[in-house]
Amino acid sequence: DAGITQSPRHKVTETGTPVTLRCHQTENHRYMYWYRQDPGHGLRLIHYSYGVKDTDKGEVSDGYSVSRSKTEDFLLTLESATSSQTSVYFCAIRAYNEQFFGPGTRLTVL
Amino acid sequence: SQQGEEDPQALSIQEGENATMNCSYKTSINNLQWYRQNSGRGLVHLILIRSNEREKHSGRLRVTLDTSKKSSSLLITASRAADTASYFCATDAMNRDDKIIFGKGTRLHILP
Repeated sequence: DAGITQSPRHKVTETGTPVTLRCHQTENHRYMYWYRQDPGHGLRLIHYSYGVKDTDKGEVSDGYSVSRSKTEDFLLTLESATSSQTSVYFCAIRAYNEQFFGPGTRLTVL
Repeated sequence: SQQGEEDPQALSIQEGENATMNCSYKTSINNLQWYRQNSGRGLVHLILIRSNEREKHSGRLRVTLDTSKKSSSLLITASRAADTASYFCATDAMNRDDKIIFGKGTRLHILP
């Protein structure tokens, strides 16, 4: 599983509240990614990181911010959660041209 | 918009038959990958094919790549019940190979 963990695994929150999801890896891989998965849309890239403090936007970055202050952690923040951000969020690392995925976080915004 | 688009969206076949899924993409790539996702789980890497390769095999999997048509196919031979899953293609971009974009996936159901 490439030592990837996500926390929390499940979260229910209310519209307008801030939410932070954490992705943690144990193997010092340079590249880390956040995707969201929704029925009919497959996986969509939100943000990714190519090093500490180096991040870039993906396909659906509006309403999300990220931070990477150390190699092992990549944080995804929803500044003010909306119902459209209800989704399953997957973190991934890249190693040897493959991506390895975390177990996912199911987020429900009421 | 998404780089890769899989076709068909859903596929049901009898166990033992071959399953073929297709992926089309929009811009030039360095690599194309296929992943599998079992229900409720994360994605698992299956195979990678580079832009200078035309065909690649791994066990019961065969992947082809046609860069002139910007398309790829995944063939699973002698399908098994355990192959029931969603299959996704993923591409990078020629000038930005660290940005990996997935398609919407094909849901494959193997009938007993």
